[in-house]
Amino acid sequence: EVQLLESGGGLVQPGGSLRLSCAASGFTFHNYALSWVRQAPGKGLEWVSIITGNGGSTYSADSVKGRFTISRDNSKNTVYLQMNSLRAQDTAVYYCAKHRDWLGDYIDYWGQGTRVTVSS
Amino acid sequence: AMTQTPLSLAVAPGQPASISCKSSQSLLHTDAKTYLYWYLQKADQSPQLLIYEVSNRFSGVPDRFSGSGSGTDFTLKISRVEAEDLGVYYCMQTLQHPYTFGQGTKLEIK
Repeated sequence: EVQLLESGGGLVQPGGSLRLSCAASGFTFHNYALSWVRQAPGKGLEWVSIITGNGGSTYSADSVKGRFTISRDNSKNTVYLQMNSLRAQDTAVYYCAKHRDWLGDYIDYWGQGTRVTVSS
Repeated sequence: AMTQTPLSLAVAPGQPASISCKSSQSLLHTDAKTYLYWYLQKADQSPQLLIYEVSNRFSGVPDRFSGSGSGTDFTLKISRVEAEDLGVYYCMQTLQHPYTFGQGTKLEIK
């Protein structure tokens, strides 16, 4: 059974940093791309960033480029999202999501999410 | 950009429902696949995959859900709505980065 368990969310002041983690199990981790997708309170889904299975390529939404960095440790079956220079508009539930293959394609499984609140 | 219509609809149990998703560019790749997907997010839950590559039902998805379309215009249909189908439906494209979702369509049960 595929499981994605996010952690690291919390309350942070504007301009601060936070690192989210997603521990995965139930599949051969290095064979699959992973994304972070967020959802602001009462809003829709926004794709944030993706990393390919071998970690060789990453892509991010314009809204987070230069501030957020996705990475993965295939020895620990964990993907990370380093978030710097946080803004109020980054407040959201952040979902870790597994893609169908190592390059990307569609998301077939989602974690339960971790909440990030940026506020003074 | 992905544009969904309507943004909300109320349907009585047993009646059909239809949601449209239009992309600003063709989602047909040179590999002949169309990178359009449908997700349902029920209240207080994570999204779940319903349909992949326009018309293929994901594992465990009831056959009352169907997807159709091509190029830039796509439709999700529910042949007979059930109470468990309420939630917000999203289309998503993964043809190119940044991946994008539609705004979401909220389905309510009358």
